[in-house]
Amino acid sequence: AQSVTQPDIHITVSEGASLELRCNYSYGATPYLFWYVQSPGQGLQLLLKYFSGDTLVQGIKGFEAEFKRSQSSFNLRKPSVHWSDAAEYYCAVGPSRAGSYQLTFGKGTKLSVIP
Amino acid sequence: GAVVSQHPSRVICKSGTSVKIECRSLDFQATTMFWYRQFPKQSLMLMATSNEGSKATYEQGVEKDKFLINHASLTLSTLTVTSAHPEDSSFYICSARRQGRNTEAFFGQGTRLTVV
Repeated sequence: AQSVTQPDIHITVSEGASLELRCNYSYGATPYLFWYVQSPGQGLQLLLKYFSGDTLVQGIKGFEAEFKRSQSSFNLRKPSVHWSDAAEYYCAVGPSRAGSYQLTFGKGTKLSVIP
Repeated sequence: GAVVSQHPSRVICKSGTSVKIECRSLDFQATTMFWYRQFPKQSLMLMATSNEGSKATYEQGVEKDKFLINHASLTLSTLTVTSAHPEDSSFYICSARRQGRNTEAFFGQGTRLTVV
């Protein structure tokens, strides 16, 4: 069965510092990979996605992620964090079942930003 | 990106009553919609998958008779929590996916349900 591990429950960075959020997955084939961001009491917003092709993916708000098959990882990066980036970040892998397009989510990483 | 609207954003109901939550894809046709439940400080747990015009597929442990899902059109899915109890209080989120390969799902804003 597929699974997603986000090793860091909570990360705190200073505004302007670089950021890397880790995501490791277990999946039997080439996965679809996603990063979502959730602000308190809100739904999820897609930051970026990987289906195939270039393993370095650019997303919104200055985020990028790199798919590394050999490491089963899809880490999210941002060169300079803004205070508005404070939120919960979820990595997801899919599809959960062939043809189903369901997603399996990690437990999330809470990002706090120090002004 | 595509827009998914979920309504209401917050609802408080009495125990024993039923609550309906709507999920609409505003600018695309959603052949598949997903309903998730999120407990405080937890990740999303998939409850069910619905395809337009067919019965929903529920995940193991989710009561079909308690969480009624209807996906009557390509732009609307509803989740009805029947005979709600305080333990049903949670944050419910829907997502919708458009038809085709390699398309991502877009999420609604979520509904905070409180059963008193």
